[in-house]
Amino acid sequence: KAGVTQTPRYLIKTRGQQVTLSCSPISGHRSVSWYQQTPGQGLQFLFEYFSETQRNKGNFPGRFSGRQFSNSRSEMNVSTLELGDSALYLCASTRDGSYEQYFGPGTRLTVT
Amino acid sequence: AQRVTQPEKLLSVFKGAPVELKCNYSYSGSPELFWYVQYSRQRLQLLLRHISRESIKGFTADLNKGETSFHLKKPFAQEEDSAMYYCALSPYGGSQGNLIFGKGTKLSVKP
Repeated sequence: KAGVTQTPRYLIKTRGQQVTLSCSPISGHRSVSWYQQTPGQGLQFLFEYFSETQRNKGNFPGRFSGRQFSNSRSEMNVSTLELGDSALYLCASTRDGSYEQYFGPGTRLTVT
Repeated sequence: AQRVTQPEKLLSVFKGAPVELKCNYSYSGSPELFWYVQYSRQRLQLLLRHISRESIKGFTADLNKGETSFHLKKPFAQEEDSAMYYCALSPYGGSQGNLIFGKGTKLSVKP
């Protein structure tokens, strides 16, 4: 079974631009969660989508948004990028009724 | 506030020595607690969950509600245990996908 995939793997953007990251969950998994990982703050929960609906949201500004499609693929968008948005963005998928999250390799975003 | 604290950034032990990775949490309800591990050049993956009370790769973790701790232990460390270890809390009994992570402890097992 293919694992969670994330595209692109690396991105360099300029302050003020916007960016869209993509996550394809494991087949059959309907929950997708997004996390931001930085050296200073560690892993922080951004949001979770289940069946195309946002089920949980972390404490991030409105510049961070996401969505989920009917095939469970998810995208997250960051508008008006700031230097502090430079991070590794991880997504994870979970099977219905399970507790185990399967993580993708992450997208490394650098904002200059 | 919900919080997970891992007081040690780095823990270095010799092969065969016991290892204990500390985790304390702050949560008013009954949390679901996990340990996730990330080996070098691999993805973050689940190591164990408190409710299952399993021993995975020789590791065990006991939830102590009185001390609000969930320390990870192994009696005899192996070099292949070297990795980043993250303690995580789920406020929804693990049924939903928002985990609160500690900042992680890097375990280095020396030969």
